[in-house]
Amino acid sequence: DAKTTQPNSMESNEEEPVHLPCNHSTISGTDYIHWYRQLPSQGPEYVIHGLTSNVNNRMASLAIAEDRKSSTLILHRATLRDAAVYYCILLYSGGGADGLTFGKGTHLIIQP
Amino acid sequence: DSGVTQTPKHLITATGQRVTLRCSPRSGDLSVYWYQQSLDQGLQFLIQYYNGEERAKGNILERFSAQQFPDLHSELNLSSLELGDSALYFCASSVAGIAKNIQYFGAGTRLSVL
Repeated sequence: DAKTTQPNSMESNEEEPVHLPCNHSTISGTDYIHWYRQLPSQGPEYVIHGLTSNVNNRMASLAIAEDRKSSTLILHRATLRDAAVYYCILLYSGGGADGLTFGKGTHLIIQP
Repeated sequence: DSGVTQTPKHLITATGQRVTLRCSPRSGDLSVYWYQQSLDQGLQFLIQYYNGEERAKGNILERFSAQQFPDLHSELNLSSLELGDSALYFCASSVAGIAKNIQYFGAGTRLSVL
């Protein structure tokens, strides 16, 4: 499985944008990039996913590099509720096992 | 609320015992996944079922087994429990087992083996 690399932790202030990076230099052409987050004492929660183009939804934006070797999850205006561990995950689209491989993720701390 | 229901929320048992964790997927979801989260191993994929059939295995121990019933609910059976099996166990569901589908996670079952 292609691996991802994320910073262990990041800190931001409330109401400011947050850019969470993810490196995936061995990504294959058929791998989707998924982001999940896990709030304290809760199960993981889907955030966003993409293949090649940048994506936006009500929670966040996903910016994918042209060579697809890195991506950035963007929270446009962080709130205290966004404090969580964020996981960047590659998911092979060619069928077979679809279990998510979670790394250590980025622990996002939001300061009031 | 993700729509995925896991019971029980907490389970305390002793070493050597056997327990069953239950998961009801979101309405219409055919795939069910089980994950284990422990402090030292992080979140690990255990097993996936699709429409009643086992589809993929991850890091699932031989002492653990699962099944998915005709009504699509799933059970994870853990036997000969050891102290190291203490963890959070999450169930997730998705519409179908293809890559771009989103997985919805339940709130988890916290298992404590004493």
